[in-house]
Order: sequence, then structure tokens, then C-alpha cells
Amino acid sequence: QQQVKQSPQSLIVQKGGISIINCAYENTAFDYFPWYQQFPGKGPALLIAIRPDVSEKKEGRFTISFNKSAKQFSLHIMDSQPGDSATYFCAASKNNFNKFYFGSGTKLNVKP
Amino acid sequence: NAGVMQNPRHLVRRRGQEARLRCSPVKGHSHVYWYRQLPEEGLKFMVYLQKENIIDESGMPKERFSAEFPKEGPSILRIQQVVRGDSAAYFCASSPGQVNSPLHFGNGTRLTVT
Repeated sequence: QQQVKQSPQSLIVQKGGISIINCAYENTAFDYFPWYQQFPGKGPALLIAIRPDVSEKKEGRFTISFNKSAKQFSLHIMDSQPGDSATYFCAASKNNFNKFYFGSGTKLNVKP
Repeated sequence: NAGVMQNPRHLVRRRGQEARLRCSPVKGHSHVYWYRQLPEEGLKFMVYLQKENIIDESGMPKERFSAEFPKEGPSILRIQQVVRGDSAAYFCASSPGQVNSPLHFGNGTRLTVT
């Protein structure tokens, strides 16, 4: 059973556009939701994270929107740039458990 | 301040040989995780270790795979009698183990079984 479902699998956006990646989870015990960015040949790197006591978190051009009742969260990349082209993974973990469940990834391609 | 160090970066083994993958966590991190990634796929959890203890190995195949994180030295993921299906990128991550602390990943070991 996949704990975290991510969509779309791939995404093409024009430079300057908004990239939106969605994730949904089932387990209401999850209380930490990070997003990771992975470039080819590299390991995933933490991009931004949110806890369920807030509905939105913004860091520069990256925003997480969180809907606790719908058990969904999404990553928005504003003013997308070719350098943002990478694979993005959402994840979720439970308090005091330290085990992370990852989505299947979204390959983003930002066209110049 | 070094991040997670994995070696080797690339490893080629023939079917039936053993593969040993090493991971040195961020200094001060006592929790280590191993993930496997197939091309164009997501990260599959394999095992979660603390110093000298395996906490969760539910994602690791029962046969041929083992992992350790000794009191001194790096964490080791060992694959015995490798088969072609073991070809993948193996990522190690570490965390300090505090509540809601993120994972820090290494750049992975790419294992190719010929």
C-alpha cells in the first residue's frame, strides 16, 4: 500500500510559469511533510517542509499548500526557471517515528 | 561541515559477487537510512538503523541483503550473490533523530550487475 501518492509523474512548464505538484496521504498520524529536489546523478536535497498546524509555507519562489481535511499537500514553484528542472519528491513522516514515506516523484522540465 | 558521504559512487559487479556500499553520516547524526532507486522511479525504503541497532528493516529483502551501523565507522549495506535485478542507485540518508528532523542524503552508489 502506497502511503503517499504523488502526481503528475511528469510536468512540462514554460519559463516564468507556475509548476504545481500534488501529493495525497492516508495516515492521519503523519505530521511532517518535506519536499525534496533531485538533480540527475545527485541525491535528493531538502527543499521545503511543512507541519500540519499551518496551511501554507513560503520560501522564495517555493510554496507548500497544505489541506489537512483533504489530506493533501502541494508544491507550487512560481516563476519557474530552467534551473528548476529536476525530479521532485514529496514525503511524510510520523512524530517520534522517523520513518519517511516518499511519493513516486515528479520529473519537472522547464522550457526556456 | 561534510554532508553524507557514500562510496563508491559507482560499483560494477558480476552476477554472484558481493557488493559492499558504505555510508558515513553527517557528523553528529546517529540515524541512518538506506533507500533504493530504480531508473525513473521513486525512493524505496530499505532499512533504518541507529548505532549498533537495526530499527526497521521491513523494506529489505530477507535474502542476500544485510545492513549494519557499528559503533565506530560507516554504515554498510551488503548485498551477497548479486543478481541483475539488484542494479540500481542506493542512497543513504542520515538524521540527528530529533522529532521532525529532515533526512540528509548522500549522492548515492550506482550499482551495476553484469
